[in-house]
Amino acid sequence: DVVMTQTPVSMSVSLGGQVSISCRSSQSLVHNNGNTYLSWYIQKPSQSPQLLIYKVSNRFSGISDRFSGSGSGTDFTLKISRVEPDDLGVYYCGQGTQYPFTFGSGTKLEIK
Amino acid sequence: EVQLVESGGGLVQPGRSLKLSCAASGFTFSNYYMAWVRQAPTKGLEWVASITNSGGSTYYRDSVKGRFTISRDNAKSTLYLQMDSLRSEDTATYYCTRDLVALDYWGQGVMVTVSS
Repeated sequence: DVVMTQTPVSMSVSLGGQVSISCRSSQSLVHNNGNTYLSWYIQKPSQSPQLLIYKVSNRFSGISDRFSGSGSGTDFTLKISRVEPDDLGVYYCGQGTQYPFTFGSGTKLEIK
Repeated sequence: EVQLVESGGGLVQPGRSLKLSCAASGFTFSNYYMAWVRQAPTKGLEWVASITNSGGSTYYRDSVKGRFTISRDNAKSTLYLQMDSLRSEDTATYYCTRDLVALDYWGQGVMVTVSS
């Protein structure tokens, strides 16, 4: 199975600030078809997870351009700029390149 | 608007069975792969199973293989998860998700508690 390692486990940021979350996979996430199925999700308190970013850097419908994804192969980053109160929650990276799909253990974002 | 509504959760004794349903609307259900993802209390996300759009192929995590069965009825736009021989470690909120290059839409989740 592909192991997804996320850091940090938690972080605190001031409103308007910027954060970066790292996600590393134990093997390359490049699929045979050339796509890299690395996604980012947010789970806000008491809510279901929501998709933010798919295929490394593509924002899902309705997602603010304050969220950006980057990376390749086994090393990926989610950046959030101009942090707003509604950004608090737990962020997960996830891979859909091979079964079983796997997720990182999550990064809890708190607002100072 | 895409909607996924799970039902069928509850409290069940170890070794017993439960069947979850997920009613889909707002999109052409038969065109999409679907999946179940679970989350144990205070824990992270764990993929459980996936099914192709036709239902012809299914995929499972090792810990549920032989005990859980994912299926779908495209005429009813409904996804199912039959869970047999339930264990305490299956206690979790189960989410129905649509699978298109990522898990792009999620239901509100349904709680399954396995306890005597």
